[in-house]
Amino acid sequence: DAKTTQPNSMESNEEEPVHLPCNHSTISGTDYIHWYRQLPSQGPEYVIHGLTSNVNNRMASLAIAEDRKSSTLILHRATLRDAAVYYCILNYGGSQGNLIFGKGTKLSVKP
Amino acid sequence: NAGVTQTPKFQVLKTGQSMTLQCAQDMNHEYMSWYRQDPGMGLRLIHYSVGAGITDQGEVPNGYNVSRSTTEDFPLRLLSAAPSQTSVYFCASGRAGEQYFGPGTRLTVT
Repeated sequence: DAKTTQPNSMESNEEEPVHLPCNHSTISGTDYIHWYRQLPSQGPEYVIHGLTSNVNNRMASLAIAEDRKSSTLILHRATLRDAAVYYCILNYGGSQGNLIFGKGTKLSVKP
Repeated sequence: NAGVTQTPKFQVLKTGQSMTLQCAQDMNHEYMSWYRQDPGMGLRLIHYSVGAGITDQGEVPNGYNVSRSTTEDFPLRLLSAAPSQTSVYFCASGRAGEQYFGPGTRLTVT
């Protein structure tokens, strides 16, 4: 499985945008990029996913580099409830297949 | 919709005991899976199923059994509990690109 690299932790101020980076230099052409987050003491929660084009939904935006070797999850206005561990995951063929979780990025949001 | 439900929320077992963790979903998803999460770690896949009657092993299947007799239910059985199986267990169901996780079962084996 293709691997992703994320910073261990990041800090943000409330109501400011947050850019969470992810490197995936060995990504293959059929790998989708998924982002999940896990709030304390909860199960992971789907955030967004994409293949080549940038994607937006009500939670976040996903910016994918042209060569697809990196991507950035963008939270437009961080709130205290966004404090969580964010996982960047590659999923073969976008199938309902298995997610391989790394350690993710722990995001702290300061009031 | 209740989404993905898991029972029990907490469980303490003695070494060698067996038990079944229950998972149910009401979203008619074909795909379901079980993960475990050890302290400070990401989730690791135990077993998964792509539909009723079809199951397969994930990354860490040893010590666990699964079966899938209905679309809704995907129980995880611990055959003979060991302290190394102390963990938080998450069940998930989903479709292409988007999976939904249950609230987890916190299991302690003494």
